Amino acid sequence: AQSVTQLDSQVPVFEEAPVELRCNYSSSVSVYLFWYVQYPNQGLQLLLKYLSGSTLVKGINGFEAEFNKSQTSFHLRKPSVHISDTAEYFCAVRNFGNEKLTFGTGTRLTIIP
Amino acid sequence: EPEVTQTPSHQVTQMGQEVILRCVPISNHLYFYWYRQILGQKVEFLVSFYNNEISEKSEIFDDQFSVERPDGSNFTLKIRSTKLEDSAMYFCASSEGQANQPQHFGDGTRLSIL
Repeated sequence: AQSVTQLDSQVPVFEEAPVELRCNYSSSVSVYLFWYVQYPNQGLQLLLKYLSGSTLVKGINGFEAEFNKSQTSFHLRKPSVHISDTAEYFCAVRNFGNEKLTFGTGTRLTIIP
Repeated sequence: EPEVTQTPSHQVTQMGQEVILRCVPISNHLYFYWYRQILGQKVEFLVSFYNNEISEKSEIFDDQFSVERPDGSNFTLKIRSTKLEDSAMYFCASSEGQANQPQHFGDGTRLSIL
């Protein structure tokens, strides 16, 4: 069975500073990896995905993530955050041949003006 | 951009009553899903649906739950006799046919059981 660990439940960051949100996964088979963002009172919006190929993937709103197979990680980064990035961020994994997404517990990103 | 829509946004129901949550997936999508998020906890998979039948379900999805695609556009989740612990945000999602396509989520229905 697959699992996802997001060690940081809350991350406060000053506006225009860089941020990294950490995600580690566990699976016995190959996986697809995703980051979703949830703004207050809204649903889950896809930020970016890793399916295959280049390990550095770029998403919406200036976010990017790097897949590291040896470390089983898929950390999310942004070089300069904005107030509008305040939200909850979820890492998710999906095994090859399996349909369900397994989510991490989420990281609440708070931007400090 | 096409999106998944869910109704109602908030549903309040007495314990023991039946509730139906409704979803309209993206029109050309073939796979449909329900997830739930109990307050303060992670998003959990409930069920996936393809070609008019359940393709995968979790241990949470017991006999109290059922899903249906009653027509060409709606996808519903029914809880037959609600319990207090069914209180949660329920998310519908859909994806295209290929296995590596991402799932697109609706804004959710907040279900409150009294």
